[in-house]
Amino acid sequence: EAGVTQSPTHLIKTRGQQATLRCSPISGHTSVYWYQQALGLGLQFLLWYDEGEERNRGNFPPRFSGRQFPNYSSELNVNALELEDSALYLCASSLRSAPAYNEQFFGPGTRLTVL
Amino acid sequence: AQKVTQAQTEISVVEKEDVTLDCVYETRDTTYYLFWYKQPPSGELVFLIRRNSFDEQNEISGRYSWNFQKSTSSFNFTITASQVVDSAVYFCALSLSGYSTLTFGKGTMLLVSP
Repeated sequence: EAGVTQSPTHLIKTRGQQATLRCSPISGHTSVYWYQQALGLGLQFLLWYDEGEERNRGNFPPRFSGRQFPNYSSELNVNALELEDSALYLCASSLRSAPAYNEQFFGPGTRLTVL
Repeated sequence: AQKVTQAQTEISVVEKEDVTLDCVYETRDTTYYLFWYKQPPSGELVFLIRRNSFDEQNEISGRYSWNFQKSTSSFNFTITASQVVDSAVYFCALSLSGYSTLTFGKGTMLLVSP
């Protein structure tokens, strides 16, 4: 069974540009989560989508947005990139949104570098 | 708000040594779930274990064992007879009933040298 996949592996942008990151969940999983892993800040929750809707959002500005498609894949968009957006962005999927004990399975991440 | 603290930033051991990674959590909820994940150099987080707040039994899986103590709000992870392949960053995480988002600790980098 294929795991969570993310593309691209690496992404280099300049300040002010927009970045689009993509994620395909494990087959049968309806929930997709996005996390940011920035140096020194650990893993921080960004967004949670389930059944095409945004269910929860972490403490990030509105220029971080995303969506989930009918096939449950997801896209994370970061507008007006800033240098501090440089990080590893991890996507995870789980079997269903509740209960909270469902383990999340993570993809390999997209390394975003903002110059 | 919930919080997870992993006070050990980095631990270095020699192969075959036992090592314990500490995790302390904070929450006012009575129902919650605790997790450990491993992040090898490749970057992908690997799920290791889940424990719910009503199950304080310790668990052993091969060389791995976990000690959950509600009295001290701790969920520690022990690797027995460590191996070089255990070198990774280990994250402890917490989720609350009704919310599927994980709150992670800052992680502990484990370096096992031959």
